[in-house]
Amino acid sequence: DAGVIQSPRHEVTEMGQEVTLRCKPISGHNSLFWYRQTMMRGLELLIYFNNNVPIDDSGMPEDRFSAKMPNASFSTLKIQPSEPRDSAVYFCASSQAVGQGHGYTFGSGTRLTVV
Amino acid sequence: GDSVTQMEGPVTLSEEAFLTINCTYTATGYPSLFWYVQYPGEGLQLLLKATKADDKGSNKGFEATYRKETTSFHLEKGSVQVSDSAVYFCALAGNTPLVFGKGTRLSVIA
Repeated sequence: DAGVIQSPRHEVTEMGQEVTLRCKPISGHNSLFWYRQTMMRGLELLIYFNNNVPIDDSGMPEDRFSAKMPNASFSTLKIQPSEPRDSAVYFCASSQAVGQGHGYTFGSGTRLTVV
Repeated sequence: GDSVTQMEGPVTLSEEAFLTINCTYTATGYPSLFWYVQYPGEGLQLLLKATKADDKGSNKGFEATYRKETTSFHLEKGSVQVSDSAVYFCALAGNTPLVFGKGTRLSVIA
C-alpha cells in the first residue's frame, strides 16, 4: 500500500482565496482524521470521520473550514476564504478504528501558506 | 479532558548518549499510549505503543513502559545516533481520537 496520500504537498495562496486539500486514506481503514500543526498550538484535531460519516468537527476553527468524505477512498478539507492565520501544515491520517490500541498512519502533510 | 504533557525541548545530545524524554498523561479510564516520531518535512510515524499498564513498547532501540501508578510513558534509548534527530510526540487514545503532546525536538550531534 502506498500509505496515506495527500495533495498538494505545498500550497501558497492569497488571502481570500479558496483552498482545497485532498487525502486518500489507506484502503480498508475505516477512520480518517484531519490535524493541523503549528508551532504555537502543536497538533490539533480538526475533524474525524468513521465509515465516511463526520463524527466530531468541534475542532474546526471557524465556519470557513469544511470537510467532506464522499467515499471511503477520498476526503477533502476546504478553507474559504483563506486567511494568513490559516498558514500551517495540515495532516490527514487514517486508522482501522478510532480508539484503543489503533495507531494512525499519517500522510506527508500539506504545507499551506496564505499571504 | 484527556491530555498529555511532555518535556519541552530542544534536547541536544552527543552520539551514543542515553536519551530520556518524559511524558505524563491525564485520562479517564485506561487509554492506550503511543510515541510518534516526525522527521523533517515528513508526517508522523508510529514509533511504539502500549495498550495496558506495565506493557513495554519497543522499536528501533527505543523503549517506553506504561506506568499507571505514575501516569507516565517515558521514552528511552540507550545510545542515540545522528539519524535519531527528529521531533518526538507522546500521545494517548481512549475511545476518542489521539491526543498529542506538544512534541520534543531531539538533535544528536556527532
